[in-house]
Amino acid sequence: KAGVTQTPRYLIKTRGQQVTLSCSPISGHRSVSWYQQTPGQGLQFLFEYFSETQRNKGNFPGRFSGRQFSNSRSEMNVSTLELGDSALYLCASSLVLSGVYQETQYFGPGTRLLVL
Amino acid sequence: ILNVEQSPQSLHVQEGDSTNFTCSFPSSNFYALHWYRWETAKSPEALFVMTLNGDEKKKGRISATLNTKEGYSYLYIKGSQPEDSATYLCALNSGGGADGLTFGKGTHLIIQP
Repeated sequence: KAGVTQTPRYLIKTRGQQVTLSCSPISGHRSVSWYQQTPGQGLQFLFEYFSETQRNKGNFPGRFSGRQFSNSRSEMNVSTLELGDSALYLCASSLVLSGVYQETQYFGPGTRLLVL
Repeated sequence: ILNVEQSPQSLHVQEGDSTNFTCSFPSSNFYALHWYRWETAKSPEALFVMTLNGDEKKKGRISATLNTKEGYSYLYIKGSQPEDSATYLCALNSGGGADGLTFGKGTHLIIQP
């Protein structure tokens, strides 16, 4: 089974621009979560999507948004980029079973975004 | 804001030696504890998901224990090999369901031949 894929792998943008990152989950996985890692910080939760609905959101400004399509693929958008948005963005997919809260999240390789 | 702490931040271990490191979390907010291994330029790889107090899980030379009452988990590596060099992350699921994982900053393990 193919793993989680993310595109693009690397991206350079300038301040004020917007960017869209894409994540394709493992086949059959319906939940996609997004995380940000900046130098010196652990992975920080951005948001989670399930069945095209955002179910939970981390503590990030409204410039960070996402969506999920009917095939479970997800996109994350960052508008009005700031230098501090330079980071590695990881997505993770999981197989959602009713009442199972400990399910494993499988991570993609990440998109490294550099904002100049 | 939940605080998941990992110690030590980094660790140098001789090949063949065994080692362990710690993940601490608030015991009052616990649903599940995840361990991941993250090698440079690769995706984080899931090692264990632990939910029960006293739980112990094993995968080859790597094992983990969980104490939810006091809020800690240990990861053990027996007979370290160079391929064990990686950053080991623990992550807390505190709310179940759709809640994201709260990650520690990781323990960076370097195995010296």
